[in-house]
Amino acid sequence: GAGVSQSPSNKVTEKGKDVELRCDPISGHTALYWYRQSLGQGLEFLIYFQGNSAPDKSGLPSDRFSAERTGGSVSTLTIQRTQQEDSAVYLCASSLAWGPNSPLHFGNGTRLTVT
Amino acid sequence: AQTVTQSQPEMSVQEAETVTLSCTYDTSESNYYLFWYKQPPSRQMILVIRQEAYKQQNATENRFSVNFQKAAKSFSLKISDSQLGDTAMYFCAFMKQQGAGNMLTFGGGTRLMVKP
Repeated sequence: GAGVSQSPSNKVTEKGKDVELRCDPISGHTALYWYRQSLGQGLEFLIYFQGNSAPDKSGLPSDRFSAERTGGSVSTLTIQRTQQEDSAVYLCASSLAWGPNSPLHFGNGTRLTVT
Repeated sequence: AQTVTQSQPEMSVQEAETVTLSCTYDTSESNYYLFWYKQPPSRQMILVIRQEAYKQQNATENRFSVNFQKAAKSFSLKISDSQLGDTAMYFCAFMKQQGAGNMLTFGGGTRLMVKP
């Protein structure tokens, strides 16, 4: 079946604008994650959704960042009033269940460039 | 909090030779999982190999194997018979056994180039 799908693949926006990044997880996967990868850096955890539980937002860098997951499937990461330091690749991942025995499947990411 | 360190920003190896990528981590947990992920230019993270901390035996997956030294908190990746398709960024990652779902803590990555 299809893997994790992210859109858009690339996004260029002006400083101060809002952007929305979309993630379609693998069907049936209950857990969904957002990570940020700045240029030449490792991945930084942003937020995690598991089923109907409250999301773990502990990695969100500021209140300009928010995410939602509708119907336990598609997720949208929103960045308000974008800043140049928000430029990065935003990666989404999903897993079938909770726990280390359920591997993460990653999408190809959205490259965000803030000019 | 956990930290993962990859001290080699870039490495290169000749095709068919063997290369070892280093990773160290810091944690107060006794039970955890360690992973190596590969990220080719497509940007998709691909799981290469995984190790459970309670297992003494080093994990192997075809040409990929690890040297897990729990006391030293070291987890290196050995790639044997390197192939051009192995060219990618490689990330070491840590996961606690309990709590925080599948949240991974990643190292900064090592860029590996396999030369023909």
